[in-house]
Amino acid sequence: EAGVAQSPRYKIIEKRQSVAFWCNPISGHATLYWYQQILGQGPKLLIQFQNNGVVDDSQLPKDRFSAERLKGVDSTLKIQPAKLEDSAVYLCASSLRTSGLAKNIQYFGAGTRLSVL
Amino acid sequence: AQSVSQHNHHVILSEAASLELGCNYSYGGTVNLFWYVQYPGQHLQLLLKYFSGDPLVKGIKGFEAEFIKSKFSFNLRKPSVQWSDTAEYFCAVTGTGRRALTFGSGTRLQVQP
Repeated sequence: EAGVAQSPRYKIIEKRQSVAFWCNPISGHATLYWYQQILGQGPKLLIQFQNNGVVDDSQLPKDRFSAERLKGVDSTLKIQPAKLEDSAVYLCASSLRTSGLAKNIQYFGAGTRLSVL
Repeated sequence: AQSVSQHNHHVILSEAASLELGCNYSYGGTVNLFWYVQYPGQHLQLLLKYFSGDPLVKGIKGFEAEFIKSKFSFNLRKPSVQWSDTAEYFCAVTGTGRRALTFGSGTRLQVQP
């Protein structure tokens, strides 16, 4: 079974530039998550999709971050304009289902390491 | 709001030593608990999970964890560590009202040969 695919693996940009990350979840997984992991911290949820609808984007800085999952499969996360504090690893995860207290196991991609100079 | 505390930020052990990593969570309802591991240069992988039933759960590579509801804890243990266990370990929790994971800040384990 193929895992969660993310690209690019690394990205270096200057502040105020824009950047986009791509994620392709495990086939058949309805739920997709984007997490931000700052050095020395645990991952923090940015946005969660169920199919192509947003379930939770309460921690997404909407003035500069946006995400979409138009066809309910792959997803793109964009930052525009980037700030120095956006330097982090951006992780994508997917899971099969989220109903009730279902046994929701999340599988993670390798992440995109962003450096903002 | 949910939160997870991992008290040990950096642990250094010799091979064959026993390991216990602490994890405490704050959440008022029913929880699912997880330990994820991140080996150097690799992605996060599930080590073990607790959903319900026996509070002592066993995972891959000889790891186990015990859910103690009264203490809001889910500590990770391994009787004898190996050099290959060198990695970062994250405790995480989800609750009924929130499907996404809330992670602790991680514990970096360094095993010396």
